[in-house]
Amino acid sequence: KAGVTQTPRYLIKTRGQQVTLSCSPISGHRSVSWYQQTPGQGLQFLFEYFSETQRNKGNFPGRFSGRQFSNSRSEMNVSTLELGDSALYLCASSKQGAHYNEQFFGPGTRLTVL
Amino acid sequence: QKEVEQDPGPLSVPEGAIVSLNCTYSNSAFQYFMWYRQYSRKGPELLMYTYSSGNKEDGRFTAQVDKSSKYISLFIRDSQPSDSATYLCALTLNAGGTSYGKLTFGQGTILTVHP
Repeated sequence: KAGVTQTPRYLIKTRGQQVTLSCSPISGHRSVSWYQQTPGQGLQFLFEYFSETQRNKGNFPGRFSGRQFSNSRSEMNVSTLELGDSALYLCASSKQGAHYNEQFFGPGTRLTVL
Repeated sequence: QKEVEQDPGPLSVPEGAIVSLNCTYSNSAFQYFMWYRQYSRKGPELLMYTYSSGNKEDGRFTAQVDKSSKYISLFIRDSQPSDSATYLCALTLNAGGTSYGKLTFGQGTILTVHP
């Protein structure tokens, strides 16, 4: 069974640009969560999507947005990039999300903002 | 104050040692407790999860939860060089509402097991 895949794996952008990251969950998983990982703040929850609906959102500015498609694939977008957005962005999928379900993480996309 | 506190280490032990990793938390509403392992340049992988207070064992790994003290632990017996990684505790509230899909992580402890 294929795991969670994320593309691209590495990305370099400059301040002010925008970026779109993609996540394909494990087949059959309908919940996708996104996290930002930095050395200073650790892993922080961005948002969660289930059946194309955002059900939960963390404490990040509106520059961070996401969406989910009917095949459960998800994208997140960061507009007007800032230096502080440099981080490893991880997505995780789980089966349903109504109760706790094990979250499986992808390898992440490492974003560098210059 | 962070909701979940975890000593970032680093922790260096000889092969074969027993490793103890710990987290404390402040919100008594947390219901599920997990330990993830993250190798360099990889995503976290789930090692263990528990729901109630007590111990849960899986091979060389034992997870311990003490809800009264808001304290969780992971013990690794007979540690191996391949256990060298960052270990993250993660907690979540019960189902629904603001808990959907949200894991609250500790800072992570960097562990090195040297031969």
